[in-house]
Amino acid sequence: NAGVMQNPRHLVRRRGQEARLRCSPMKGHSHVYWYRQLPEEGLKFMVYLQKENIIDESGMPKERFSAEFPKEGPSILRIQQVVRGDSAAYFCASSPEGNLYGYTFGSGTRLTVV
Amino acid sequence: SQQGEEDPQALSIQEGENATMNCSYKTSINNLQWYRQNSGRGLVHLILIRSNEREKHSGRLRVTLDTSKKSSSLLITASRAADTASYFCATDRGSTLGRLYFGRGTQLTVWP
Repeated sequence: NAGVMQNPRHLVRRRGQEARLRCSPMKGHSHVYWYRQLPEEGLKFMVYLQKENIIDESGMPKERFSAEFPKEGPSILRIQQVVRGDSAAYFCASSPEGNLYGYTFGSGTRLTVV
Repeated sequence: SQQGEEDPQALSIQEGENATMNCSYKTSINNLQWYRQNSGRGLVHLILIRSNEREKHSGRLRVTLDTSKKSSSLLITASRAADTASYFCATDRGSTLGRLYFGRGTQLTVWP
């Protein structure tokens, strides 16, 4: 059981480029959550997805950010036209049933915008 | 606003001592969870305590929950240098199907 797999681990993008972050949830988990973490801060919720559905995107900026969790394949967090303020660690977590039993987190993708 | 405010923000102790971290929250909950994060890594789920429970143990961890005070504490007994990490509490704000709300965490340093 490989756990939650995120890739890439590190991503460097120039301002204006697109960033695509991937997350494969733990086997048997159908709930996926994306969080962003800035240095010395806690986790900020971004989006909650189930297969082919966005359940809660209230934490996602209205522009440039989008997320999907298709029927087949990993969940994708997409950031268009990145800016320096997007530099952060992005964590994906999965669970079998909401937050009843806790989340399993991936190791994160560290995005640096130069 | 943050649901789940941990204190202290930072705690520094010697190996063998006990470490106590606290968490306060503002709304009703179904459960409260504690996570650990080692530097540069993802969070690891430590323990979950439900709203109808007052205390829970797991190895050297002891968690208490006081719903009347809307607070929880995490006690690590006989700490080790390997316990050095950030510790976060998270609550569900009363919804088991939704997201978790994390605090800013307590940075624990255990000196050998």
